[in-house]
Amino acid sequence: SAVISQKPSRDICQRGTSLTIQCQVDSQVTMMFWYRQQPGQSLTLIATANQGSEATYESGFVIDKFPISRPNLTFSTLTVSNMSPEDSSIYLCSVGVTGHYGYTFGSGTRLTVV
Amino acid sequence: ILNVEQSPQSLHVQEGDSTNFTCSFPSSNFYALHWYRWETAKSPEALFVMTLNGDEKKKGRISATLNTKEGYSYLYIKGSQPEDSATYLCAPDQTGANNLFFGTGTRLTVIP
Repeated sequence: SAVISQKPSRDICQRGTSLTIQCQVDSQVTMMFWYRQQPGQSLTLIATANQGSEATYESGFVIDKFPISRPNLTFSTLTVSNMSPEDSSIYLCSVGVTGHYGYTFGSGTRLTVV
Repeated sequence: ILNVEQSPQSLHVQEGDSTNFTCSFPSSNFYALHWYRWETAKSPEALFVMTLNGDEKKKGRISATLNTKEGYSYLYIKGSQPEDSATYLCAPDQTGANNLFFGTGTRLTVIP
C-alpha cells in the first residue's frame, strides 16, 4: 500500500491567516482525498483532488475557503484560508487504489486557530 | 450526507476481555463497508473492506460481520490487549465512487 507523508503535523495559527497542508505519496495515484475531523465529530470529506483538473468539493465546502492544488500524481496541498477558531480540526489526506482494499491516510495535521 | 451510527461511543474493558461494537448504516444503495482503527497521533489504518451480505472477515484477534439487508456490521475483538486501545471507525461506501461517510467512532480503552 502507499505511504503518505503529511506536514505539518500540527500548528497553532492566528485567526485571519492561512495554512497550507502538504501530502506527498510514494507512488502515483489518480485521486487524493482531503478530510476534516472537527472536535467530537466524524471524519468528513472536504474534496477529491484530481491531477489536471479542479478539485471536486463536497456540500458545505467551497474552493475559496479550501483551495486545493494537485500538480502531479504524487502530491497535493490543501489551504485553509482566512482561518477562524471553527477551523480548528484534524485535517487528513488519503489515497485509495481501489475501493476493496481500504484507503491509506496521512498522519494528519492538528490545527488550532486562536 | 449519510446517517451512520456507531455504538457505543466509548467503552473501557479489562485486558483479556472480549468486546464488540456496532455500526448501523442505510441498507439502500450499498457498495462496501470499511472499518478503520485510529490510534492517537497515528494515521487511520484500514482493517476491513466488506462487500457481501453475511460476509465475515478476520485479522488476528479482530473480526467483523456484515448484514447489508438490515444495514449493520459488528466488529469483535477477542482477548483485548492494551495495544487495541484506539478509535474504531466504520464508513459505508454507497457507490464505489470513493466517497466514504464515516461514523463518529467507538473509542476503546483497554485497561491493563
